[in-house]
Parts: sequence; C-alpha cells; structure tokens
Amino acid sequence: DGGITQSPKYLFRKEGQNVTLSCEQNLNHDAMYWYRQDPGQGLRLIYYSQIVNDFQKGDIAEGYSVSREKKESFPLTVTSAQKNPTAFYLCASRGAYTDTQYFGPGTRLTVL
Amino acid sequence: AQSVTQLGSHVSVSEGALVLLRCNYSSSVPPYLFWYVQYPNQGLQLLLKYTSAATLVKGINGFEAEFKKSETSFHLTKPSAHMSDAAEYFCAVSKNSGGSNYKLTFGKGTLLTVNP
Repeated sequence: DGGITQSPKYLFRKEGQNVTLSCEQNLNHDAMYWYRQDPGQGLRLIYYSQIVNDFQKGDIAEGYSVSREKKESFPLTVTSAQKNPTAFYLCASRGAYTDTQYFGPGTRLTVL
Repeated sequence: AQSVTQLGSHVSVSEGALVLLRCNYSSSVPPYLFWYVQYPNQGLQLLLKYTSAATLVKGINGFEAEFKKSETSFHLTKPSAHMSDAAEYFCAVSKNSGGSNYKLTFGKGTLLTVNP
C-alpha cells in the first residue's frame, strides 16, 4: 500500500536530549513537510522540502533540524534547544502540480 | 499573507442533525481551500478541496462545502450527523498556484461532538 509512515507512534525523551522522528513515504512525492500540533493551536509548519538535498524553514523552525538525503525520507530532529518540545508531530507529502498534502499518522513526543 | 479563521472551537450536535462548521479565509490571490478531518491520535485525512472549478464541492463521508467569494467563506456541512463524524476538523488555505507555493495555512480546528 502507498502511504506515509511515521515512527515511533509514541516517544519519550529526557530534557537535554536530542531525538529524531522518522518520516517515510512511498508515494513518489517530491515535497515533504513537518508540522507541530498543540491543543487549540492548529498545525504549525516547522520545515519543508521540495526536492532532495534542499529544505526551507517554516514558521517555527527554531530548535529543530531536518535532512533530505533521499526522496522517500525526511527525518526531523528535535534538539535540546527546543524549549517546549512536547507535542504531536505530523509529517506530510505532496505530489507535483498539486497543493494537496497527505499526512502520516503522527508521532506524539513527550519530554519528561 | 493568507489566514484562516474557524468560528467555534467546539460544535456539538445531535445524531441526525445538520452539521455546519464555519471557515473564513483571507487571501490576496484566488485560493485553494481544503477541509481535513482528524480522529484522536491520528493524522489528517483529506475530506474535500476547492480548486476553482465548481463552487459546491462534495467530499467523502457525505460532507460538502461551498465556496463563497463574496463572503470569503468555505463552510463545511453534512445534512445528518452520525456518531462516527465525531472528530476534529481543520480548514486550510493555499495560494492557487498549481502547486508552486507548497504551503498550507491551517485554522485552529473545530472539535465536533455528536450526541446520541
């Protein structure tokens, strides 16, 4: 089945630790996105990538980093510089010549 | 800049009643508009989208939305609510750019509760 997978589903981290969230897609989409979701805040864009080896900051990039070495993969690292990392993280992808984004199932990160 | 306002963070209806979820947008260019649904602890699923063809858009699960340029609105409706419709709904806007803009701007969401 074609789709977007995110792992793990739940992730716990101690303060001061970096953690990497995985996002993989087999839809052959060029563009990929990372969003953060907090209760009552909607989705906020962290980073996006339109093509391999290229990515841009979104609205709330501070404390996060990404890489795009393969078309299928767009991992997000939450660094210790992110002051309030506890949230639900959603990855999305988009095909060429369309504005429609398709979402993965999400990863819930909790900082202990 | 684009923005989306969803009126009402929480809407409660009885099973079988009309569902109306409101969305108003602001965009400097003709927009593309989307409604997504999110069930608890899951990702977002596309319900429907407006891309400047018909102003009345039909989506999945019996939902539809009407684009009204004069009111800058894109309200989501369903004639008869079902218990399975209980979820959070997000309206989003994108520039009508054939995919070249890349970014969606989301509203804050409306939580729909369906009472038996």
